[in-house]
Amino acid sequence: DVQLTQSPPFLSASVGDRVTITCRAARGIGNNLAWYQQKPGKAPNLLIYVASTLQSGVPSRFSGSGSGTEFTLTITNLQPEDFATYYCQEFYDYPLTFGGGTKVEI
Amino acid sequence: EVQLVESGGDLVQPGGSLRLSCAASGFTLSDYYVDWVRQAPGKGLEWVGRSRNKAHGYTTEYGAFVKGRFTISRDDSKNSLYLQMNSLKGEDTAVYYCGRLVHTNSGDFPDSWGQGTLVTVSS
Repeated sequence: DVQLTQSPPFLSASVGDRVTITCRAARGIGNNLAWYQQKPGKAPNLLIYVASTLQSGVPSRFSGSGSGTEFTLTITNLQPEDFATYYCQEFYDYPLTFGGGTKVEI
Repeated sequence: EVQLVESGGDLVQPGGSLRLSCAASGFTLSDYYVDWVRQAPGKGLEWVGRSRNKAHGYTTEYGAFVKGRFTISRDDSKNSLYLQMNSLKGEDTAVYYCGRLVHTNSGDFPDSWGQGTLVTVSS
């Protein structure tokens, strides 16, 4: 298994802020990482895949970067609808794993 | 419209079995890989397993915790996929989601999910 460690687990922010979430892999996974947004009671929503490719329909204020063992998700100009929990997931090796999540709160 | 609908979640005793269904509409499920992901109450996401598409022989992969207890299967005539869960434990209590994966040059990624079905394992 590839262990993924997300930080911070909780993040307090305001509308208009720029926020950065980090996902660290225990070993190199190339660019085989995706980011999801999840709101309470809903299924996760794919934001970014292969570390930096924006999924169709996702606002451009979301961006991803990184490769190997360290990855970041950045949200610029945080909007009210962005308050949610964010997860990274590796697609490098089976069994696939998720990070522990980062809850972005007001 | 692409839609996935999970069903079959229920209250089951430890050691029991349950079969979850994932019914697809708006597309042909056999053309796609499908993942199962679960979320225990108040916890994070956990990958359960994957069924590759018909072209790849419906081969499967499972999470480390499964240990032979779960099996993913399909019924093309019903455009559906199933998760058979045996020897259930309290820690299997979760909402289970199925997700369709779309193929890109860089891999297969989920673009559509069902609403989830709740499995509760308790005596």
